[in-house]
Amino acid sequence: GAVVSQHPSRVICKSGTSVKIECRSLDFQATTMFWYRQFPKQSLMLMATSNEGSKATYEQGVEKDKFLINHASLTLSTLTVTSAHPEDSSFYICSAGGSVSEQYFGPGTRLTVT
Amino acid sequence: QQQVKQSPQSLIVQKGGISIINCAYENTAFDYFPWYQQFPGKGPALLIAIRPDVSEKKEGRFTISFNKSAKQFSLHIMDSQPGDSATYFCAASARSNYQLIWGAGTKLIIKP
Repeated sequence: GAVVSQHPSRVICKSGTSVKIECRSLDFQATTMFWYRQFPKQSLMLMATSNEGSKATYEQGVEKDKFLINHASLTLSTLTVTSAHPEDSSFYICSAGGSVSEQYFGPGTRLTVT
Repeated sequence: QQQVKQSPQSLIVQKGGISIINCAYENTAFDYFPWYQQFPGKGPALLIAIRPDVSEKKEGRFTISFNKSAKQFSLHIMDSQPGDSATYFCAASARSNYQLIWGAGTKLIIKP
């Protein structure tokens, strides 16, 4: 149980285009999902907290107009990187809250912006 | 006060040995302490977690030791195997929210 999927696993896009990443909780409902960014050999950096049916809460320094988050249902949250630039290249990971204080992570999405 | 300090940054252990990774925290509101294992190019996977009402939790070869008074917790991997080579993250969160505060990670290499 407690499986979280992400799609796509890898994506290459051209500078200036937008990319959408999906995060799904497959066998449980998640009122809260989290989006992280991870740079090579570094820890996870929380970007935003996504609550079903409401606006996401962004961490300080994260541009909400650039990283659009939508949590339309209890099993799906999406992250759209708008007008992507090479500096947005990173490993993006989502997680979904299971029981209190437990999060289950997706396999991550490697974004490369050329 | 929100930080979780993890050490060492990297660790090399011989096959069959014990791997020990340590974490320390300041925020006494933290009440959930998970350890995650991450392989290259993959998301983190929950390995084992502990709450402060117990001092130790064991699952197979993995043990968390928790010292509430010292505000420290550690992961012990017994009989370490090459397949345990990965990056390990400790984390902490408070019951009031889901947000995890992450340690910096430890890259563990098990030498055959």
